Amino acid sequence: DQQVKQNSPSLSVQEGRISILNCDYTNSMFDYFLWYKKYPAEGPTFLISISSIKDKNEDGRFTVFLNKSAKHLSLHIVPSQPGDSAVYFCAASGPNDYKLSFGAGTTVTVRA
Amino acid sequence: ETGVTQTPRHLVMGMTNKKSLKCEQHLGHNAMYWYKQSAKKPLELMFVYNFKEQTENNSVPSRFSPECPNSSHLFLHLHTLQPEDSALYLCASSQAGQGALKTNEKLFFGSGTQLSVL
Repeated sequence: DQQVKQNSPSLSVQEGRISILNCDYTNSMFDYFLWYKKYPAEGPTFLISISSIKDKNEDGRFTVFLNKSAKHLSLHIVPSQPGDSAVYFCAASGPNDYKLSFGAGTTVTVRA
Repeated sequence: ETGVTQTPRHLVMGMTNKKSLKCEQHLGHNAMYWYKQSAKKPLELMFVYNFKEQTENNSVPSRFSPECPNSSHLFLHLHTLQPEDSALYLCASSQAGQGALKTNEKLFFGSGTQLSVL
């Protein structure tokens, strides 16, 4: 049973424009959400996170928005750069979890 | 460099072979994980070790056998695998508390072993 879903397998955006990645979850107990970035032949690396007490967290060009009532979060990358081309995974955990539940990933391609 | 090292990076094996994947973390973490990533699918948790004790076996077939001799090392022993087991196997670690992720905790991943079963 997939509790974290990324329904867009790929996204293509022009350099300098905004990239918006979406993620939906079904488990209402999730209270911590993360985005990981993965380049080919490398493991995922942590990008940004948000806890359920917030609805927005910003780190440089990256902003994560959380809508708890809709069980939806999104990652905004502004402006997009060629080095942002990667696979982005959404992940979530609940208060008693010792693991993260991941989505299937969205492949972002930033065009020059 | 994430502080989590996996070897080998690539592995090709036949269905009758026995091989092992190795993971080592240099972060002083207490929990280690094996995840499987198949193409276009979510990362799938296989095993969790917390303070060297296995706390989860996520319905993984017995042809995968984990071993955690200490909190810095984790192995995944493979035998009689099937072609559908071909995937990227990722090791991760976290600080972890007594069986649960702490608030705002994250996992640190190795680069993975790309496994092909012929």
